[in-house]
Amino acid sequence: TQLLEQSPQFLSIQEGENLTVYCNSSSVFSSLQWYRQEPGEGPVLLVTVVTGGEVKKLKRLTFQFGDARKDSSLHITAAQPGDTGLYLCAGAWDTGRRALTFGSGTRLQVQP
Amino acid sequence: DAGITQSPRYKITETGRQVTLMCHQTWSHSYMFWYRQDLGHGLRLIYYSAAADITDKGEVPDGYVVSRSKTENFPLTLESATRSQTSVYFCASSLRDSTYEQYFGPGTRLTVT
Repeated sequence: TQLLEQSPQFLSIQEGENLTVYCNSSSVFSSLQWYRQEPGEGPVLLVTVVTGGEVKKLKRLTFQFGDARKDSSLHITAAQPGDTGLYLCAGAWDTGRRALTFGSGTRLQVQP
Repeated sequence: DAGITQSPRYKITETGRQVTLMCHQTWSHSYMFWYRQDLGHGLRLIYYSAAADITDKGEVPDGYVVSRSKTENFPLTLESATRSQTSVYFCASSLRDSTYEQYFGPGTRLTVT
């Protein structure tokens, strides 16, 4: 079983602050995704990264894939209360299985 | 565009009863998945299916049965529910491509008393 570590588990910040969430594995990812989940709903896909060193931006969110494809980060600039939620990273490895392995998630609370 | 739906959204059942959770997708995605989400464990894969009549076990399959006679449906059955199966269950689907992107339903909150 491939392991995927996500940190921090909890983050409570003030509106306007910046934050970074990390996702790490000891194995090389074929593909890595970031999802956001709100209470009572299913996870919603934010971004997919597949190429080492890749950087993708989604408004105030910046996603980076490590050069060695073993780690990824999500950086939020000037967080807003609407960013509150559970952020999940999910990795796929080249094992022939289509299933993803999910990190345990980062619960973000942005205080107004 | 209905996407992916799950029913029921909430279910309370007693220990020992059989329960079936339904999942339906309108995208004709090849792959479908069942996860359970529990505090402290994140999302754990129960079963997945690559196509109609093709299913495979995930990380936590014990106590669950799946079938996939049609591409669009992927029901999950708890043959004899136990309290440890109290959880939120999510169904997801995915295209047969290289991105592994998955699209999730709204979830079913199951309580076993």
